[in-house]
Amino acid sequence: EVQLVQSGAEVKKPGESLKISCKGSGYSFTSYWIGWVRQMPGKGLEWMGIIYPGDSDTRYSPSFQGQVTISADKSISTAYLQWSSLKASDTAMYYCARYSSGWYAFDYWGQGTLVTVSS
Amino acid sequence: EIVLTQSPATLSLSPGERATLSCRASQSVSSYLAWYQQKPGQAPRLLIYDASNRATGIPARFSGSGSGTDFTLTISSLEPEDFAVYYCQQRSNWPRFTFGPGTKVDIK
Repeated sequence: EVQLVQSGAEVKKPGESLKISCKGSGYSFTSYWIGWVRQMPGKGLEWMGIIYPGDSDTRYSPSFQGQVTISADKSISTAYLQWSSLKASDTAMYYCARYSSGWYAFDYWGQGTLVTVSS
Repeated sequence: EIVLTQSPATLSLSPGERATLSCRASQSVSSYLAWYQQKPGQAPRLLIYDASNRATGIPARFSGSGSGTDFTLTISSLEPEDFAVYYCQQRSNWPRFTFGPGTKVDIK
């Protein structure tokens, strides 16, 4: 069974750093792109970026380039999303999702990680 | 950047009724269009890929159609569990993805 399991909710202060994770199982982790999607409170879905764990090829949405860093450790089948200096506006639910190149869609999703940034 | 527009923003229907949701792209996305369902407190779930193909385990009451710039998601007869928000998503210009703003299907 394909599963993406994300790390737990985080509460941080503005200016702090953060790294959240997404662990894949039940499939060849290095053979599928993993995307990250933001959902701000009460809002829609925004694509942030995508990484190919096989060679760490990473692409970013222009809206998020320079704001976050996406990485992966294929040895433990885990992708990451990190911030070096959080802002209150980073408060959101963050989802990782597996991208199916054959279907051109995100076919499996993690359960989401809620990030709250507040002083 | 390709912009997706969904209409209506909210659709109020009763169980058993037919739901027709629209997604329009600012330029052609060929058939690289997917639909997702999201229920409160849950992650999105893939329903339709390549504009008209049902994902694994998706009931036959869900169908997608369209190509180019105009797409439709149809739910033939609404079940109680179908009341949710529906998003379209395109990946025409790899590696750029965009989502539509969503259509909420609620109970009339």
